[in-house]
Amino acid sequence: KQEVTQIPAALSVPEGENLVLNCSFTDSAIYNLQWFRQDPGKGLTSLLLIQSSQREQTSGRLNASLDKSSGRSTLYIAASQPGDSATYLCASGSARQLTFGSGTQLTVLP
Amino acid sequence: NAGVTQTPKFQVLKTGQSMTLQCAQDMNHEYMSWYRQDPGMGLRLIHYSVGAGITDQGEVPNGYNVSRSTTEDFPLRLLSAAPSQTSVYFCASTRDGSYEQYFGPGTRLTVT
Repeated sequence: KQEVTQIPAALSVPEGENLVLNCSFTDSAIYNLQWFRQDPGKGLTSLLLIQSSQREQTSGRLNASLDKSSGRSTLYIAASQPGDSATYLCASGSARQLTFGSGTQLTVLP
Repeated sequence: NAGVTQTPKFQVLKTGQSMTLQCAQDMNHEYMSWYRQDPGMGLRLIHYSVGAGITDQGEVPNGYNVSRSTTEDFPLRLLSAAPSQTSVYFCASTRDGSYEQYFGPGTRLTVT
């Protein structure tokens, strides 16, 4: 059974800092790895999707990488802003189902 | 496109009551899923469907029932609500051949 872990559970950084969020998974035979953002009391917004044949994806200030051999994915956020404050979730799986980590709650201080 | 919509946004039930959480999508996606989110436990899959008339169980299916009569709709039924079903429920959809999941805004359910 796939298990997905995100450490740390919470992270606080000053505005402007570059930061990395970590995600690890136990089964390397994954179809994809997806990163989501969740604001308090809201649904999930898809940020980046990395398919199993890819190593990274970029969107604006966000870059996600995937290393299946080590069972790890990272989400890099450049020049963080207070508006980036949210919970970031990673999930691996297929079109039928995703296995989620518990998330990292990010606070960017002005 | 409205994307994935869910109703109601909030609901309070008494133990033993039944209700249906509604989910609809207008993207013609074949796959639809229901997840629940509990503090510190991430999201867990309840049931999913790969097309109209086809459903299957996820990780935590007990106490829930689903059916899918149309591509657009995927309701989740609580047969006899229990306090352990207090949670936030999310519906998601994706098209066949894609892995990117789209989520609805969620239904916050409290069972007293």
